Amino acid sequence: GESVGLHLPTLSVQEGDNSIINCAYSNSASDYFIWYKQESGKGPQFIIDIRSNMDKRQGQRVTVLLNKTVKHLSLQIAATQPGDSAVYFCAEKFQGGSEKLVFGKGTKLTVNP
Amino acid sequence: EAEVAQSPRYKITEKSQAVAFWCDPISGHATLYWYRQILGQGPELLVQFQDESVVDDSQLPKDRFSAERLKGVDSTLKIQPAELGDSAMYLCASSPRRAVDTQYFGPGTRLTVL
Repeated sequence: GESVGLHLPTLSVQEGDNSIINCAYSNSASDYFIWYKQESGKGPQFIIDIRSNMDKRQGQRVTVLLNKTVKHLSLQIAATQPGDSAVYFCAEKFQGGSEKLVFGKGTKLTVNP
Repeated sequence: EAEVAQSPRYKITEKSQAVAFWCDPISGHATLYWYRQILGQGPELLVQFQDESVVDDSQLPKDRFSAERLKGVDSTLKIQPAELGDSAMYLCASSPRRAVDTQYFGPGTRLTVL
């Protein structure tokens, strides 16, 4: 179906630990994926993206991994900080058609000091 | 840094009333999107504009919702009449071109229908 899902709705980590947020997607034709961070009362903020011709992409403290074989996407946050506490959404873009983004339900990350 | 602007930030209305939300995308961005986000869920696309033209409004409840982007810059989303189930966050996003994928979101308008 046209859905992007997440394995865990909540994730709690200690400050300084690494965080891994997972996402499963269902459309093998999706060619572009984005991770967004959304703090309470704010709009989603772009974190990092990856195209389907890549397996890994790194940003500042964040890494996105794409496993097309099992249709799995993950976001790794290194040295998690309290400011990383938010809801994280993955989104996929279907190739062709309306080219719209389809969002998952989100994972709430809580960083404990 | 350029941002997507939205107003109002909060709106409380009674059911059957009309409401309108405004969005000003990042300057130069040709593509504009309106999303609805129910609490605890991801955003869902309502309508997508390329310049002043609608390219996707398949999920827009057209009996009560309307959207326009007359000059291809800012946009207005209207609900008339509002229903209790319309309570949600309404988000606007923009991207440089439809084929350029990264969408940048505004702060949203939180609508509460009483």
